Amino acid sequence: SAELTQDPAVSVALGQTVRITCRGDSLRNYFATWYQQRPGQTPVVVMYGQNYRPSGIPDRFSGSSSGNTASLTITGAQAEDEADYYCNSRDSNGNLWVFGGGTKLTVL
Amino acid sequence: QVQLQESGPGLVKPSETLSLTCNVPNGSISSYFWSWIRQPPGKGLEWIGFVFYRGATTYNPSLKSRVTISLDASKNQFSLRLSFVTAADTAVYYCVASEREFDYWGQGTLVTVSS
Repeated sequence: SAELTQDPAVSVALGQTVRITCRGDSLRNYFATWYQQRPGQTPVVVMYGQNYRPSGIPDRFSGSSSGNTASLTITGAQAEDEADYYCNSRDSNGNLWVFGGGTKLTVL
Repeated sequence: QVQLQESGPGLVKPSETLSLTCNVPNGSISSYFWSWIRQPPGKGLEWIGFVFYRGATTYNPSLKSRVTISLDASKNQFSLRLSFVTAADTAVYYCVASEREFDYWGQGTLVTVSS
């Protein structure tokens, strides 16, 4: 399957922990990459590979994977983390790329 | 940091061909693979396809019959052509450079399909 499924919306209280998930068959074989897109901005990589953060991404962001599910966890969410989050990976054959539908994170 | 800039018409008529170009930094064309990604207003991201330095391409199967992505190293550009467009092709189109992930994004250009 080439599909990645995300919950459309998640909310978290300021300073609390939130997990955003992405499900798909291809995640059994390939890691997910996570992109953050703030309103009016272009997407930015926040997590890739097994659990790697690009330079400049706060360490409150972490990633994990188990079976067909990849997760992005924000520990101590901040107001600036309010954004849309997209997972991305290859399809099961490894030849194509696919995005999840995105999760809108609201920080209360 | 790789600076990218999309260019092309912001309005395309239905059934016509959408054509966009992305200018890339001089000398970098062989260092990355180059993608187009689009985002309809208020919706999520859709990968369109990518081209490698030597010209090999891979396309999203849902668009494959209408898409051509090409690269002109002499001009430091890569291009997108999407034929027989409909209103469903209205979106912000991003050109993207990848070392490993979709690492560097252009600002995006809104293309509206309307008569």
